[in-house]
Amino acid sequence: KQEVTQIPAALSVPEGENLVLNCSFTDSAIYNLQWFRQDPGKGLTSLLLIQSSQREQTSGRLNASLDKSSGRSTLYIAASQPGDSATYLCAVGGNKLVFGAGTILRVKS
Amino acid sequence: DAGVIQSPRHEVTEMGQEVTLRCKPISGHNSLFWYRQTMMRGLELLIYFNNNVPIDDSGMPEDRFSAKMPNASFSTLKIQPSEPRDSAVYFCASSFVVGTGELFFGEGSRLTVL
Repeated sequence: KQEVTQIPAALSVPEGENLVLNCSFTDSAIYNLQWFRQDPGKGLTSLLLIQSSQREQTSGRLNASLDKSSGRSTLYIAASQPGDSATYLCAVGGNKLVFGAGTILRVKS
Repeated sequence: DAGVIQSPRHEVTEMGQEVTLRCKPISGHNSLFWYRQTMMRGLELLIYFNNNVPIDDSGMPEDRFSAKMPNASFSTLKIQPSEPRDSAVYFCASSFVVGTGELFFGEGSRLTVL
């Protein structure tokens, strides 16, 4: 059974810092890995999707990497801003995505 | 383009009442998913459909829960009878499975059962 772990559970940083969120998974037989952002009281917004044959994806200040052999992914956020404050969730799988518990990020101005 | 549309956004009901949640997936998507989110258990997949056919309902907690997808543009999740422990946010999501499989979520339906 796939298990997804996200570390840290919460993170508070000053504005402008570069930061890394971690995601690990137990079963490397995945079709893709997706990072989401969730604001309080809102749905999940897709940030980046990495297919199993890919190593990384980039969108603006976000970069996500995937290492299937070690069962790890990282989400790198460059030059963090207060507007980046949200919960970030990692999900892995194929048709059935398994979600981690998320990392609550607070960027202080 | 319109995203995944869910209704109602909020529902407050009393124990024993029937609850129906509705979802319109993104046009052209052929997979639809119902998730439940709680503080204690996080996001849990309840059921998903491919081309309107239920593929895996192993996450449906018990027989009080049922889901249908009568056509490609509409799905319902029904709870009958509802119980206080069903209180949660229910999300619908859709994807185009032949493509990247990227999953898109609706805003959710917050259910409170008193």
